[in-house]
Amino acid sequence: GAVVSQHPSRVICKSGTSVKIECRSLDFQATTMFWYRQFPKKSLMLMATSNEGSKATYEQGVEKDKFLINHASLTLSTLTVTSAHPEDSSFYICSARGSQGETQYFGPGTRLLVL
Amino acid sequence: QKEVEQNSGPLSVPEGAIASLNCTYSDRGSQSFFWYRQYSGKSPELIMSIYSNGDKEDGRFTAQLNKASQYVSLLIRDSQPSDSATYLCAVREYGNKLVFGAGTILRVKS
Repeated sequence: GAVVSQHPSRVICKSGTSVKIECRSLDFQATTMFWYRQFPKKSLMLMATSNEGSKATYEQGVEKDKFLINHASLTLSTLTVTSAHPEDSSFYICSARGSQGETQYFGPGTRLLVL
Repeated sequence: QKEVEQNSGPLSVPEGAIASLNCTYSDRGSQSFFWYRQYSGKSPELIMSIYSNGDKEDGRFTAQLNKASQYVSLLIRDSQPSDSATYLCAVREYGNKLVFGAGTILRVKS
């Protein structure tokens, strides 16, 4: 149980375009989803927390107008990187938490390369 | 800013030995602790969670928690080359957010 999927797994885009990443909880209802980014050989950096039906809470230093998060249902959250630039290239990982437990289950991640 | 500290390693152990991974945290009020394993290029996967002082065993893995010393560790018995990965310690803070340590690289040599 507790499977989280992400799509796409890898994306290459041109500078200035927008990219949408989907995160789905496949076998449980995720009341809270988290979005992280990870640079090579670094630990995970939390970008934002989203609760179903509410606006996302962004961590300090994360531009909410650049990283748009939508959590429209209990099984789906999306992260849209708007007007992507090469410095946005990173490994983006979502995690999901159900209503009953404290454990976060991670998706497989999306590797974004902006040219 | 709450902090979680880990030795970055790499920690090298021979196959079959016990690997000991350590983590300290700054918030004395923390109640929930997690160990994740991350293979290169992959996302983290949960190994164990621990909430009470003492030991918690699951197969070859044992998590140890000492809240008075603000210390949590992970022991891996009979280490295998497939255990070679980065191990991330995480502490839950207010709002169910996880604060991650930088991770310890473990290398098990056959």
